[in-house]
Amino acid sequence: KAGVTQTPRYLIKTRGQQVTLSCSPISGHRSVSWYQQTPGQGLQFLFEYFSETQRNKGNFPGRFSGRQFSNSRSEMNVSTLELGDSALYLCASSYGKDTQYFGPGTRLTVL
Amino acid sequence: GEDVEQSLFLSVREGDSSVINCTYTDSSSTYLYWYKQEPGAGLQLLTYIFSNMDMKQDQRLTVLLNKKDKHLSLRIADTQTGDSAIYFCAENIPSGSARQLTFGSGTQLTVLP
Repeated sequence: KAGVTQTPRYLIKTRGQQVTLSCSPISGHRSVSWYQQTPGQGLQFLFEYFSETQRNKGNFPGRFSGRQFSNSRSEMNVSTLELGDSALYLCASSYGKDTQYFGPGTRLTVL
Repeated sequence: GEDVEQSLFLSVREGDSSVINCTYTDSSSTYLYWYKQEPGAGLQLLTYIFSNMDMKQDQRLTVLLNKKDKHLSLRIADTQTGDSAIYFCAENIPSGSARQLTFGSGTQLTVLP
């Protein structure tokens, strides 16, 4: 089976712009979670989607949003980018409540 | 909130065993995980242990869980230079039907030749 894929792998944006990141889960996995990794804060949970519904959300401002499509693919959007949003954004998929498998991440740099 | 704590650095000689330690705070955790991250890469699942187990062995990896002390360890036998990476422990705290991993800060393992 192919693993979790994320696109794009690298992205450079400027402050105030918005960005959309994409994640394709492992075939058959219906749960997709997003995490932000920064040197200062480490790995922090953003949100989880299951069957197109957000069922858990971390402590992030409303600028961070996501959605999941009927094929389980997920996107996350960050609006009005700030310098502090520069991070590695990791997507993970799982089958129900089982173990999460991570993708390679999208490295976002905000200038 | 829940915290997962790890020491930041560990250095070992090639061929020795490495032991990476982790403490967690939430006794309701169901699964505890070890992930490996190499430079510029995502997280690779190494192994996991269910909370009602004391030990799990998987080839060179041994996980020990002391639920009373909320202490988790990962032992890597015959450590190789390719094992140099950051190792994260994580706990899965159930919240209804939702799931969320809480990670430690990661331990940078350096394997010296």
